[in-house]
Amino acid sequence: EAQVTQNPRYLITVTGKKLTVTCSQNMNHEYMSWYRQDPGLGLRQIYYSMNVEVTDKGDVPEGYKVSRKEKRNFPLILESPSPNQTSLYFCASRTGRGNEQFFGPGTRLTVL
Amino acid sequence: DAKTTQPTSMDCAEGRAANLPCNHSTISGNEYVYWYRQIHSQGPQYIIHGLKNNETNEMASLIITEDRKSSTLILPHATLRDTAVYYCIVRVGMYGGATNKLIFGTGTLLAVQP
Repeated sequence: EAQVTQNPRYLITVTGKKLTVTCSQNMNHEYMSWYRQDPGLGLRQIYYSMNVEVTDKGDVPEGYKVSRKEKRNFPLILESPSPNQTSLYFCASRTGRGNEQFFGPGTRLTVL
Repeated sequence: DAKTTQPTSMDCAEGRAANLPCNHSTISGNEYVYWYRQIHSQGPQYIIHGLKNNETNEMASLIITEDRKSSTLILPHATLRDTAVYYCIVRVGMYGGATNKLIFGTGTLLAVQP
C-alpha cells in the first residue's frame, strides 16, 4: 500500500531532550516536507526536500533540523525541544511532477 | 499565492450533495485551485484540483467560475465519513512548485448530519 509513515505517533518529552521523528514513504517520491499544525495557525511548512541531500527551510525552521540521506526517509530532528514546539506534525511527499501531496498520519508532540 | 476565503462551517444532510464555496478574487492566470480535506487531526487528503475547466473525479467535482474568482467543491452524495475540514488552496504552477509548500487557511468544517 502506498503510504507515508511517521513514528512515533505520540510523544511526550521534556525540554532539552533531543528527539527525532521519523518519516518514510514507499512511493519513490522526490519531494518531501514537514509541517506543523497549531490551533488558529493552520499548517505551516518547517522544511522541505527536493531530493536526496537537497533540503531547504520552510516558513518556520527555527529549532528544527532535517536530513535526506535516502530518498524514502526524511527525519525531523529537534536538538533541544522547547514547550513552544508542542504541536501536531505532518510529513508529506509527492513526485517531482505530481499535484497530489500524500500526508502521513501525524505525530502529536508534547514538550513539558 | 492568492488568498482564499471560505465559510467557517457548513451542515449537510447525509445523502445530499454538499456544495463548499471558495472565493479567490485575486487569483492569477497561472494559479491552480486545489482542495484538500482533513478528518479530525488525520493527515490532510488531496481531493481535486483545476485551473479553469470544471473537473470531476471519483471523490468530487470542482466548478470554477468563468472569471476564476470563485469555485465550488461538490460532494455529490455526502456521507458521515465526509465530515471534515475542507481547505481551498490556490497555488502557482501545476506541480506545486519547488518549495512543495501548500498554504492551508482555516478551511470549512463540513458537518454531515444523519
